[in-house]
Formats: sequence, structure tokens, C-alpha cells
Amino acid sequence: QSALTQPASVSGSRGQSITITCTGTINDIGSYNLVSWYQQHPDKAPKLIIYEDSKWPSGVSNRFSGSKSGNTASLTISGLQAEDEADYYCCSYAGSNTWVFGGGTKLTVL
Amino acid sequence: EVRVVESGGGLVQPGRSLRLSCAASGFTFDDYAMHWVRRAPGKGLKWVSGISWSSGNIGYADSVKGRFTISRDNAKNSLYLQMNSLRPEDTAFYYCVKSSRADIRGQFDYWGQGALVTVSS
Repeated sequence: QSALTQPASVSGSRGQSITITCTGTINDIGSYNLVSWYQQHPDKAPKLIIYEDSKWPSGVSNRFSGSKSGNTASLTISGLQAEDEADYYCCSYAGSNTWVFGGGTKLTVL
Repeated sequence: EVRVVESGGGLVQPGRSLRLSCAASGFTFDDYAMHWVRRAPGKGLKWVSGISWSSGNIGYADSVKGRFTISRDNAKNSLYLQMNSLRPEDTAFYYCVKSSRADIRGQFDYWGQGALVTVSS
């Protein structure tokens, strides 16, 4: 159950696009179409923004998009807005009734 | 409105036990799996444990296996986490999380506000 690997921080200017990568292994990301992404603002509960690799929950902006290739998943945020500044976590099912999160990425909007 | 509300957090000495509870409302509780996820101060999210709708499938993170026990009471719309042999590294906010499916493979679609557990002498 090793954590998925994410960059500790990314930054971008308002209106630009950024991509956060999430690297796992054949035992988690590479074996299941069950990668999800969560946004967490300070002192708030996490919020689901992408599920099953690339699907949007109801009410989530389509400025957020997910993709996957092999053992690596990616979250792209287009048209960056100030309110996008938050921590972002990837998560994957890892088999045998277990899940694993990434270490989290702090997004700064310049 | 879907709501999950944690209770039972607090300060506990190393080696002691604590039981977290989660009260669910606004959805048919026994149609969905449930999970516990924690976030230690200054750290990232970590999945702790999950339980399917019927309690037939249960999973634990390696770091808590053998010490923590997840359970649910569908008649009371409640989820529990019994935490034994607590260690300082268990200090964290513990979130009760609803799954999007009846089995453990569903995504985490609704989160509580978290209950703080502090393990310290």
C-alpha cells in the first residue's frame, strides 16, 4: 500500500491551464478504471471532482478533466480561477478491498 | 440532503482505545458502502478502512490492520471505527465518507467535516 506519487506543488496564472500527475503501479492505477480526484480547501471537507478516471460528478465544472495512461493519471484544470487554489489528491482502488491516496498537490493561482 | 456527521473524537493516551461514530442521513444508508479516511496535521489524506453495504467485504490500511475495526449498524444508519492500541502517529482528523456504490469499489462522494483524534500522553 504505497502512496501514489504527486508533485508537492504546482502553480499557474488565472486563465491558464495546469496538469497534476499521479503515478502509481500496475497493482493500482494500472489495473482498475477507478482513479478519482479530490479538492480540499483549508478547513473544509474534501470534494469529489473526478471519478472513474475521467467522469464528472453532478455539479462539478467541466474545467476539471481527468485522463489516464498506463500507471499514471492526470488532472487538468483549465481557465484557472482564484477559487481553484486548494490541495488536490488522486486516489485509486488497489485491490483486496483497499484504496490508496496520493500525497497531495498544493495548487497556487498567481 | 446527504449528511454524514462524525462524533467521538478527543484526546487519548498512547495504547488506549477510542470509538468513532458516524451518523448518516439523507440517503438510504444500507444501499452504500462507507469508509473512514484520515488527515494528520500537515499531511495528506490517507484511506483507513472501508465496509460494504452488508458488511460482507471489509478492508483496512496496513498501518491500522489488527488495531482498528470498522463496523456498521444499518438499522441505526450508523458507521463505527473502534480504534485500539492507539499510537501518536494515529493523530488526525478522521472523516466519515459515503461511497457511490454498495461495494467497496465506489468513489468517495460525500464527506463529513471530520473528528479530531489526538493521541498524546
